[in-house]
Amino acid sequence: GAGVSQSPRYKVAKRGQDVALRCDPISGHVSLFWYQQALGQGPEFLTYFQNEAQLDKSGLPSDRFFAERPEGSVSTLKIQRTQQEDSAVYLCASSSFTSDSTYEQYFGPGTRLTVT
Amino acid sequence: AQSVTQLGSHVSVSEGALVLLRCNYSSSVPPYLFWYVQYPNQGLQLLLKYTSAATLVKGINGFEAEFKKSETSFHLTKPSAHMSDAAEYFCAVSDVGDMRFGAGTRLTVKP
Repeated sequence: GAGVSQSPRYKVAKRGQDVALRCDPISGHVSLFWYQQALGQGPEFLTYFQNEAQLDKSGLPSDRFFAERPEGSVSTLKIQRTQQEDSAVYLCASSSFTSDSTYEQYFGPGTRLTVT
Repeated sequence: AQSVTQLGSHVSVSEGALVLLRCNYSSSVPPYLFWYVQYPNQGLQLLLKYTSAATLVKGINGFEAEFKKSETSFHLTKPSAHMSDAAEYFCAVSDVGDMRFGAGTRLTVKP
């Protein structure tokens, strides 16, 4: 596809349920990022992959959050035993190294997670 | 650690008026700076980026931003606001890895 896609776009989970959020990056993009955006806030970094390697997971808020990218393309963000404070929009971005020697991140539409 | 601060969570202008959205950065190394726009229920769209090639950066939709090292600022401007500019705007700083965003400024354009 032309851009980053995410599914589902909306997810309602009962507290305690596990959820899995999917991200399809732009084809050929090596780097993939996950962000959490709470209502009225800017996106907060969660984790970052280069190919299949998870290079930085310092932003994951707890050990209930887990991300993987086993084949270096599609990525899944999993949240176990969801809590109400997990309610947010989860954004995925992929990036390429541009001709002016910078990284430019392209964002998907996000998955809005509501935990009831 | 790199960070950005956006001054003003809400900005309201009249259609045709100047738009000025403020962003200050903190970085120990020359930063890469970005402005993104977010429309309701959509992802972030890149407006423009600073990469040290030029201090005045022109972006899409008539927006531009000027990097001022002495003021550690990267304010976003547009000479004449249009109704379609109403959205949330985010300033961000990045290196090779993660991107750090400001809290955002909601721009309202009055007819």
